[in-house]
Amino acid sequence: EIVLTQFPGSLSLSPGERATLSCRASQSVPSSFLAWYQQKPGQAPRLLIYGASSRATDIPDRFTGSGSGTDFTLTISRLEPEDFALYYCQQYGRSPYTFGQGTKLEVK
Amino acid sequence: QVQLQQWGAGLLKPSETLSLTCAVYGGSFSGFYWNWIRQPPGKGLEWIGEINHVGSTSYNPSLRSRIIMSVDTSKSQLSLKLRSVTAADTAVYYCAKLGRTVAGTEKGFESWGQGTLVTVSS
Repeated sequence: EIVLTQFPGSLSLSPGERATLSCRASQSVPSSFLAWYQQKPGQAPRLLIYGASSRATDIPDRFTGSGSGTDFTLTISRLEPEDFALYYCQQYGRSPYTFGQGTKLEVK
Repeated sequence: QVQLQQWGAGLLKPSETLSLTCAVYGGSFSGFYWNWIRQPPGKGLEWIGEINHVGSTSYNPSLRSRIIMSVDTSKSQLSLKLRSVTAADTAVYYCAKLGRTVAGTEKGFESWGQGTLVTVSS
């Protein structure tokens, strides 16, 4: 299976700052079928990015996904208070679909 | 926008069978893969498996021997059964839709159920 490793495990930043989250795959993700999700306590994950770089419906343009092959990045250009949450990457290019272990974005 | 509503027993004893159902409202049931994902308390997400409207399935090898997924297209529902549960199966279980772009390519889990906490305890 494709193992996804996210780093850093946690990130402390202030509102208005830029966040860069990384996701590395143990092998190339087919068709760049790589998604990013945001999860807040007590809620289901929300799809932010699919196909490595396409924004999901109603996702603000401060969220940008990039990368291909084995290295992927989620960038949040200017953090808003509501952006502080857990973020997961996931590959859906090859079964079994797998998730990274998550990056916790905290308020500094 | 599709809405997924799920339900099932929340407290099980070891060796019992977990049984969850997820109903799909407001969109097409056919032409998509419907997934189950779980999240142990305080931990990350684990994909359990998927099924489409004709019952074609793909399961996580780590759970394959204990899983049965099924669909009822007349009700736009999918179901999950997980046999012989242990404390390690304690988790919030989610159903989710694997979306498709207009071009027909898959686009991640775009709709999720509200989650069901299943606790396994003697």
